[in-house]
Amino acid sequence: ETGVTQTPRHLVMGMTNKKSLKCEQHLGHNAMYWYKQSAKKPLELMFVYSLEERVENNSVPSRFSPECPNSSHLFLHLHTLQPEDSALYLCASSQDDYRTGKLFFGEGSRLTVL
Amino acid sequence: KQEVTQIPAALSVPEGENLVLNCSFTDSAIYNLQWFRQDPGKGLTSLLLIQSSQREQTSGRLNASLDKSSGRSTLYIAASQPGDSATYLCAVFTSGTYKYIFGTGTRLKVLA
Repeated sequence: ETGVTQTPRHLVMGMTNKKSLKCEQHLGHNAMYWYKQSAKKPLELMFVYSLEERVENNSVPSRFSPECPNSSHLFLHLHTLQPEDSALYLCASSQDDYRTGKLFFGEGSRLTVL
Repeated sequence: KQEVTQIPAALSVPEGENLVLNCSFTDSAIYNLQWFRQDPGKGLTSLLLIQSSQREQTSGRLNASLDKSSGRSTLYIAASQPGDSATYLCAVFTSGTYKYIFGTGTRLKVLA
């Protein structure tokens, strides 16, 4: 069982659909993150949760809605997305103080918006 | 505002060569710096983490150095192998923020 698991690995959706990305970590970490990776651009931090509380919302459009029901699970709810939202969405976690801990990433969810 | 730059963007070397990847950052007030490896279509794997008080970290054939005052880090790969082919990214955690800032990466290809 890998440390950070993301599902689905691939998702195709229309602009009017509603879907969710799921992330689960089996490492006992306290902090979880959503990152967006687009072609030719650096990874962009979207959201940070520490002990299930959101501590960072990096000016992300409201069509992306995160949810962290417990320290092991993180969701990204998607609705009325745009084609430019097509990207690889990566979940990560870290232990203890998220300022100094190693980041552990999942394999990512490749999202295509038609 | 922290900016992270990685040069070169792509690098192709024959197997067995020692090589150096570069990472520079504009704000030296950092907590730590991490080097990651990413295989095509996959997530990132943390290779080395250097705290701001440290000068270098080593793991196997990898050695990462940090010079905060000049805003630079290098990743040294000894005796490169085809399995080292991947994109290497560096990321800095800047004091006063909650985030890592990533570079755009160096795409490495090691030829057999």
